[in-house]
Amino acid sequence: AQSVTQLDSQVPVFEEAPVELRCNYSSSVSVYLFWYVQYPNQGLQLLLKYLSGSTLVESINGFEAEFNKSQTSFHLRKPSVHISDTAEYFCAVSDRLIQGAQKLVFGQGTRLTINP
Amino acid sequence: NAGVMQNPRHLVRRRGQEARLRCSPMKGHSHVYWYRQLPEEGLKFMVYLQKENIIDESGMPKERFSAEFPKEGPSILRIQQVVRGDSAAYFCASSPNWDSYNSPLHFGNGTRLTVT
Repeated sequence: AQSVTQLDSQVPVFEEAPVELRCNYSSSVSVYLFWYVQYPNQGLQLLLKYLSGSTLVESINGFEAEFNKSQTSFHLRKPSVHISDTAEYFCAVSDRLIQGAQKLVFGQGTRLTINP
Repeated sequence: NAGVMQNPRHLVRRRGQEARLRCSPMKGHSHVYWYRQLPEEGLKFMVYLQKENIIDESGMPKERFSAEFPKEGPSILRIQQVVRGDSAAYFCASSPNWDSYNSPLHFGNGTRLTVT
């Protein structure tokens, strides 16, 4: 069975500081990895995804994540955060071999708070 | 192009009543997923439906919960005889087809169910 662990439930940082949100997964088969962001009272939005190819993936707003197979990790990073990045971030894994290909297993979420 | 529409946004029910949550997928999407987010937890998969078919309901509680996606109209998640433990945010997501990772899940803003 797949599982996702987000090691930090809350991460407070100052504006313009770098941040890393940690995510580890377990799966017995090939995986596809995702980061979603949830702003207050909204649904989840896809931030970035790893399907295959380059292990470093980037989003349009400066986030990046690196797939590390040996460490079973997919940590999310941003070199300089902005107040508008305040949100909850969810790491998710999907197993393509099951019938519902978009059936995601989510981590518990990390609440990122940016302080001025 | 309207996104995934869920209604109501907030729903309050007394113990023992029925709750009906509605989800209209994005235009052109024929696949619907329901996820539940309990307080301080990540999202948990409940059920995956296509028009008139339940594809995977492995995450649905065995009793009181049911889902449908009729040929016409929105998908409905129905909870009979609600209990306090059903209080959660219920998210619907849609996708255009089951095997395309280039089409990520699109989430609605959720229905927040409170059972008093």
